[in-house]
Amino acid sequence: GENVEQHPSTLSVQEGDSAVIKCTYSDSASNYFPWYKQELGKGPQLIIDIRSNVGEKKDQRIAVTLNKTAKHFSLHITETQPEDSAVYFCAANSGYALNFGKGTSLLVTP
Amino acid sequence: DTEVTQTPKHLVMGMTNKKSLKCEQHMGHRAMYWYKQKAKKPPELMFVYSYEKLSINESVPSRFSPECPNSSLLNLHLHALQPEDSALYLCASSQAHREKLFFGSGTQLSVL
Repeated sequence: GENVEQHPSTLSVQEGDSAVIKCTYSDSASNYFPWYKQELGKGPQLIIDIRSNVGEKKDQRIAVTLNKTAKHFSLHITETQPEDSAVYFCAANSGYALNFGKGTSLLVTP
Repeated sequence: DTEVTQTPKHLVMGMTNKKSLKCEQHMGHRAMYWYKQKAKKPPELMFVYSYEKLSINESVPSRFSPECPNSSLLNLHLHALQPEDSALYLCASSQAHREKLFFGSGTQLSVL
């Protein structure tokens, strides 16, 4: 499938700080961009998603922004808490399925 | 109910064994998926079922055989696996292709 690049691969922040994860995609036909959180021993959990007709979406402490022209989208987590520690995957729809980024391991230290 | 249920949670099998992984969803979703995930990697698509018919096979070896008995159930039959097949196997479902996937917790498979 088409590529989805995700950065950084690891991110360590102090509790209360913000965390930002960035992704770029290559398929100009992509129009749906979800973010998943995966904790150890569990399956990925959808935490927020955005469609191409919207530039920003917010849900409490998490927000996603989309720049269709530049083909990039970002996840913003504010007031981070230790329970936000997990691996986060971005994805973009392409062809018949979702293409995932390689993941960001987020560590929030108290 | 937004849950995708997978059994078993853990499975250890030898290379000559035959086993099956099971997945169930009651969200009325018409697309169901099998993904394979290695440690510290993103999920890799294996199979897609749409309206109970296999629509996508991502060149998966024949030792993996999917089955969709009805719109709520998805199985993955395993036979003569190799140690490199050890991974987390995830089932997912969605209302439509390419959108809003809901994942199960996975089956952690070890092939000895």
